[in-house]
Amino acid sequence: KQEVTQIPAALSVPEGENLVLNCSFTDSAIYNLQWFRQDPGKGLTSLLLIQSSQREQTSGRLNASLDKSSGRSTLYIAASQPGDSATYLCAVRTGNSGYALNFGKGTSLLVTP
Amino acid sequence: EAGVVQSPRYKIIEKKQPVAFWCNPISGHNTLYWYRQNLGQGPELLIRYENEEAVDDSQLPKDRFSAERLKGVDSTLKIQPAELGDSAVYLCASSLSPAASEQFFGPGTRLTVL
Repeated sequence: KQEVTQIPAALSVPEGENLVLNCSFTDSAIYNLQWFRQDPGKGLTSLLLIQSSQREQTSGRLNASLDKSSGRSTLYIAASQPGDSATYLCAVRTGNSGYALNFGKGTSLLVTP
Repeated sequence: EAGVVQSPRYKIIEKKQPVAFWCNPISGHNTLYWYRQNLGQGPELLIRYENEEAVDDSQLPKDRFSAERLKGVDSTLKIQPAELGDSAVYLCASSLSPAASEQFFGPGTRLTVL
């Protein structure tokens, strides 16, 4: 069974810092990897989708990388802002999960002014 | 373009009562998913539909949970009877196809069972 781990579980940084969130998975036979943002009491907002053939994706201040062979992905947030405060979830899709997403527990990010 | 719509947003019931959640996916999305998210955890799949067919329901507790997707568009997830441990956020998601597509999530229904 695919296991997804996110480190750290929580992170607090001052505004303006660059930061990296880590995600690891046990089964490298994935179709894709998706990063989500979840605000308190809200649903999930898709940030970036990386297909298994890709190495990275960028959107604004966000950059996600994928190293499928080592089972790792990172989400890089540049010049963090208080509005970035949320929980960030990593999820992978593998064929043996019936194409469902396997999620990590998330990293809770707090960006202080 | 409208996103995934879910209702109600919040529901509080007493144990042993029935409850139902409704989801309208993004137009044209053939694949629909129901996930359950417990506090402090990532979402976990309950059931996946391809059009009107439930193709993966291995994680659905079938003794009390049921789901349907009539006409391959809207879907309803039902719990009867509800138990205290069913308190969670129930998320609906949709995608164009099962394998390579991005999944889009609705706002969820927060269920509290007293």
